[in-house]
Amino acid sequence: KAGVTQTPRYLIKTRGQQVTLSCSPISGHRSVSWYQQTPGQGLQFLFEYFSETQRNKGNFPGRFSGRQFSNSRSEMNVSTLELGDSALYLCASSMDRHTEAFFGQGTRLTVV
Amino acid sequence: KNEVEQSPQNLTAQEGEFITINCSYSVGISALHWLQQHPGGGIVSLFMLSSGKKKHGRLIATINIQEKHSSLHITASHPRDSAVYICAVRTGNQFYFGTGTSLTVIP
Repeated sequence: KAGVTQTPRYLIKTRGQQVTLSCSPISGHRSVSWYQQTPGQGLQFLFEYFSETQRNKGNFPGRFSGRQFSNSRSEMNVSTLELGDSALYLCASSMDRHTEAFFGQGTRLTVV
Repeated sequence: KNEVEQSPQNLTAQEGEFITINCSYSVGISALHWLQQHPGGGIVSLFMLSSGKKKHGRLIATINIQEKHSSLHITASHPRDSAVYICAVRTGNQFYFGTGTSLTVIP
């Protein structure tokens, strides 16, 4: 079965712009969570969606937002990009909080 | 304070050696994942554990819930095992991650 698909894989944006990243979970999975990976901070939790509702949010500024659609696909948006937003953004999907999570390949965002 | 601590941070081994990576955590968890990340690559979940022990090929993962500790073992290590190994614990809907162990296996 198809894995977790993140698009695009690579992205270069300019400071001040906004960006939207997409995550398509494994078919049947209703939980999607997002993570940021930077060399200095490692992996950090951004937010988690289940059945179109945000259930949990990490300690990130309001410039980071997300949503989930009825087909469980999720998008995250970062507005007014800063150089420090350059990172690998990962999403993971699972059927629910008690089942195994599967990670996507990530989107590598570079802000210049 | 980190909810998840991994050791060692860096590890170099000769091909064929037995390798152990340790993970200790301080929060109540529903599951623990061992993840593998190759340079420039995405993340692959190797194991999900909530109790006991799991084995997949040359990889073995164990967890002791009472001691809040897990280990990842690699038997007969191979250069293709060179990667960063990350311990992640799940509490409800959120993961906490260790900082990773960078493993290099020399032929």
